[in-house]
Amino acid sequence: DGGITQSPKYLFRKEGQNVTLSCEQNLNHDAMYWYRQDPGQGLRLIYYSQIVNDFQKGDIAEGYSVSREKKESFPLTVTSAQKNPTAFYLCASSVRAKNIQYFGAGTRLSVL
Amino acid sequence: AQKVTQAQTEISVVEKEDVTLDCVYETRDTTYYLFWYKQPPSGELVFLIRRNSFDEQNEISGRYSWNFQKSTSSFNFTITASQVVDSAVYFCALSSYRDDKIIFGKGTRLHILP
Repeated sequence: DGGITQSPKYLFRKEGQNVTLSCEQNLNHDAMYWYRQDPGQGLRLIYYSQIVNDFQKGDIAEGYSVSREKKESFPLTVTSAQKNPTAFYLCASSVRAKNIQYFGAGTRLSVL
Repeated sequence: AQKVTQAQTEISVVEKEDVTLDCVYETRDTTYYLFWYKQPPSGELVFLIRRNSFDEQNEISGRYSWNFQKSTSSFNFTITASQVVDSAVYFCALSSYRDDKIIFGKGTRLHILP
């Protein structure tokens, strides 16, 4: 079945540690996105990529990094510089920018 | 600047009642898209509808209907004869034709009580 797979479902980070969230899609979509969701805050865009080997910062990119080496994959690294990483992270993809975005099931990140 | 406001943070209704979720948006662009997404307890956002700013026709899909009014910058969502399975957080969103991003409102949490 076509879709977006995020892993792991739950992730725990220790102080000073970098962690990487995986996002894979088999929909042959060009554009991919990472959002952060905090209670009562809606979705905020972290990074997005419209094409392989290219990506742009969203509204809250500080403390995060991404790569887009393959069309299917858009991993997000939460670095130790992100002081408040506890949140629900959602990955999305669309055929191209401005189109309907389809979402994965999310990764819930907590700090130990 | 673009903005989406969902003034209703949380709504509770009894099953089989009709319920309307409000969405008001701000944009200076004449060409834009409006969206509604549903987020059930599982967490994954599910796409419901996208409307083009040039298409003000109301849309009905089963028990769901959408009322788009450019004059009031609103894109309201009504669920008729609500069911417990409709319980979720609903997000309204806006995308300008010139922009690659979607701006989401903060969401309305809907509780359908049996």
